[in-house]
Amino acid sequence: DGGITQSPKYLFRKEGQNVTLSCEQNLNHDAMYWYRQDPGQGLRLIYYSQIVNDFQKGDIAEGYSVSREKKESFPLTVTSAQKNPTAFYLCASSPPPGTRSPLHFGNGTRLTVT
Amino acid sequence: QKEVEQNSGPLSVPEGAIASLNCTYSDRGSQSFFWYRQYSGKSPELIMSIYSNGDKEDGRFTAQLNKASQYVSLLIRDSQPSDSATYLCAGATGRRALTFGSGTRLQVQP
Repeated sequence: DGGITQSPKYLFRKEGQNVTLSCEQNLNHDAMYWYRQDPGQGLRLIYYSQIVNDFQKGDIAEGYSVSREKKESFPLTVTSAQKNPTAFYLCASSPPPGTRSPLHFGNGTRLTVT
Repeated sequence: QKEVEQNSGPLSVPEGAIASLNCTYSDRGSQSFFWYRQYSGKSPELIMSIYSNGDKEDGRFTAQLNKASQYVSLLIRDSQPSDSATYLCAGATGRRALTFGSGTRLQVQP
């Protein structure tokens, strides 16, 4: 079955450590996205990529980095520069971006940094 | 001003009633809108999309779009306890990624 796989589901890290969240899709979608969700909040865009080897910053990119070396993969690194990294992270993909492209979401990674 | 705004709720309705969820947006260039349902601790799932002014119906769900008023709504008929969730409104607001509202929490009372 086609879908988006995020791993791990839960991740615990100590403050000051970098951590990488995995996102893989087999939907053959060109575009991929990372959103962050805090309790009781909507989704905020961190980074997105419309094509391999290219990506753009979203609204809250500071303290995060991404790569897009393969169409299927869009890993997110949460660096020690991110002041409040504890959150629910959602990866999504869509066909070539256009005004009629809904997002398909993975199951999310819940990151806790202490 | 946020690009997409929703009342956070909670909106409480009795079982069998119509739930009405509302969303406003600021970018007049927005072309498409989506409603996602999110259960606690889960990822959002798409339930409706709407691109043109007017109503679009799918089962118990009706999405309404009024571009002149920059207003999107979702009606849920015959609400069930299983509809209790947070409903996220999202718009394609010119940038090539969806912008989400903060969500409205719906509670359907049995």
